[in-house]
Amino acid sequence: GAGVSQSPSNKVTEKGKDVELRCDPISGHTALYWYRQRLGQGLEFLIYFQGNSAPDKSGLPSDRFSAERTGESVSTLTIQRTQQEDSAVYLCASSFWDSPLHFGNGTRLTVT
Amino acid sequence: LAKTTQPISMDSYEGQEVNITCSHNNIATNDYITWYQQFPSQGPRFIIQGYKTKVTNEVASLFIPADRKSSTLSLPRVSLSDTAVYYCLVAPDTGRRALTFGSGTRLQVQP
Repeated sequence: GAGVSQSPSNKVTEKGKDVELRCDPISGHTALYWYRQRLGQGLEFLIYFQGNSAPDKSGLPSDRFSAERTGESVSTLTIQRTQQEDSAVYLCASSFWDSPLHFGNGTRLTVT
Repeated sequence: LAKTTQPISMDSYEGQEVNITCSHNNIATNDYITWYQQFPSQGPRFIIQGYKTKVTNEVASLFIPADRKSSTLSLPRVSLSDTAVYYCLVAPDTGRRALTFGSGTRLQVQP
């Protein structure tokens, strides 16, 4: 079956613009995670959704970052007024409750 | 969540067995240990998961001592295609919230 799908795969934007990144999780997966990975670095947790529970937003680095998920479907990560330090790969992962994570291949964001 | 410590990098040659150890001194009773592999330009992918003793699948083995304060991922007879970053993750089997990955171990396999 299909894996986790992220779009776009690459995004180049100008500093100060807003961007929206999309994640299509595996069908039936209740949990969804967003991570940021800077070049050559590890995975930085951003936000976690589980079913209809309130999301865990503890990893969002600033109020310019927000994410939404409707039920157990698509999620969007929005970055407002992008800055150069936002340049990174944004990875989405999903899982069925607390089973191992399935990751997408990410969206590479470049802020010029 | 238990903090994990791994070597930053390791080098090996094709055909050798590679063992990557992860320390997790404050692991909790209901924590499981999971290893992921990440190739360049891809998201991490699940390799193996265990709670105690030894787990083996078609890709790797996971050794966990009785005190569970560390774990070792064993890759038998590595090939060039095993060059990747390997992450150890310690998290509960239920009630999971934020999952924080460590810095990972960059394995370079030479011909």
